Amino acid sequence: DVKVTQSSRYLVKRTGEKVFLECVQDMDHENMFWYRQDPGLGLRLIYFSYDVKMKEKGDIPEGYSVSREKKERFSLILESASTNQTSMYLCASSNPDRLLNQPQHFGDGTRLSIL
Amino acid sequence: GQNIDQPTEMTATEGAIVQINCTYQTSGFNGLFWYQQHAGEAPTFLSYNVLDGLEEKGRFSSFLSRSKGYSYLLLKELQMKDSASYLCAVPRTGFQKLVFGTGTRLLVSP
Repeated sequence: DVKVTQSSRYLVKRTGEKVFLECVQDMDHENMFWYRQDPGLGLRLIYFSYDVKMKEKGDIPEGYSVSREKKERFSLILESASTNQTSMYLCASSNPDRLLNQPQHFGDGTRLSIL
Repeated sequence: GQNIDQPTEMTATEGAIVQINCTYQTSGFNGLFWYQQHAGEAPTFLSYNVLDGLEEKGRFSSFLSRSKGYSYLLLKELQMKDSASYLCAVPRTGFQKLVFGTGTRLLVSP
């Protein structure tokens, strides 16, 4: 079974802090994703990485950056946390397939509160 | 671009059958996913449809009509544990990324 592990289930930080959210997958997947999930808005893509050191902006990248130094690890960084970044953050991974889409496998999420 | 519509909330009774609809607009179709998400947990993959028709997996079935831009998830013999949100998603152009609907919250009562 694919395992996607996020470093924290709950996190509380202060406005202006630099925040790191870590995600590790154990299935050698090439693709990794960071989403945030808010009530009424669903899952929104923040950043996507399709290989080590490769990244693409998603729909809402402002205020975030990412790092993919190793294939199994994808980090989301809040450069200077703000209260509107309070949310549930979900990491996912998948394998690329040009013929059939492969499902994304999700971690359990990090509920981040910015005070 | 892509756009997905799902009902926000549905209620049903244990043992019943429920159909959760999803309509989508997409510039290039590459299949449709259904995920289940229990409160406070990760979304888990349920089904992937790329051809028209019904695909059955135990108590869950998923239907796709590409010409109508329409899919549904059919849950039979409902159990209390089926209370969850059900997310519909389609791949974007560029293939690897998904666009998710806002999800349908299903509440199963005794």
